[in-house]
Amino acid sequence: ETGVTQTPRHLVMGMTNKKSLKCEQHLGHNAMYWYKQSAKKPLELMFVYNFKEQTENNSVPSRFSPECPNSSHLFLHLHTLQPEDSALYLCATRGAGEKLFFGSGTQLSVL
Amino acid sequence: SQELEQSPQSLIVQEGKNLTINCTSSKTLYGLYWYKQKYGEGLIFLMMLQKGGEEKSHEKITAKLDEKKQQSSLHITASQPSHAGIYLCGADLTGGGNKLTFGTGTQLKVEL
Repeated sequence: ETGVTQTPRHLVMGMTNKKSLKCEQHLGHNAMYWYKQSAKKPLELMFVYNFKEQTENNSVPSRFSPECPNSSHLFLHLHTLQPEDSALYLCATRGAGEKLFFGSGTQLSVL
Repeated sequence: SQELEQSPQSLIVQEGKNLTINCTSSKTLYGLYWYKQKYGEGLIFLMMLQKGGEEKSHEKITAKLDEKKQQSSLHITASQPSHAGIYLCGADLTGGGNKLTFGTGTQLKVEL
C-alpha cells in the first residue's frame, strides 16, 4: 500500500465514450503526475501538477484532459480515444525531495 | 534512442543464482531510482542513489551509482522466486528534481 489509490483498476471503453480516471492520495504531497505505460516502451510522463497547478504537459493530445481540484485528487478525463491509447495509466505523487509514490494503475482498453 | 537504456531487456535465472541489471544514461544523472513492478500493477520503490560512488543495499538487493559513467547497476544475490518482476530505473535528468525519466525495464524470471 503506497498511499496512492487509483480507480478503476480496469476500464474498457469505445472510441466514442467519455470516461474519467481517478487518483487519490493521503500523503500530503504537493506534486502529482500522470504517466502512461505501453508495452515495451518506457513510462511516458503526461502531466505534472504542483500545488494544484499544471506545470507540465508533455505534448499530450487534447483527448486527454487532466484536472486537479484539490491537493488530494487528480483526474484524467478521456474522450474520443483511439485504440493506440490502450495502456496502463499510472498516477504518482511526490513530496519535497522525495521519491515518487505510484498507484496501482488503471489498465485501459479502447475498442 | 532512449535517454535511459536498461540491459538486459529480460532475464531468466535459476533460483539461488546472482544477477545484475544495468541502467545507462545518455545525460548527466542528478538522481537515480530503482523500482520494481509486477505486470499490470504500480511501481514499488526499491532504492534511491544520488551521489557518485554511492552504494545501497536492502536485503539481497544492492544498487550502485557510477556518476562518471552515467550508469547504475542493480545486483541481486541468491535470487528467489519473490524477486521475479519488472525492474525499472528512473532518473532525474534535468536537475530540477520534479520529474523522472524511466528506462524500458528488465523483466526477471526466477526458475525453481
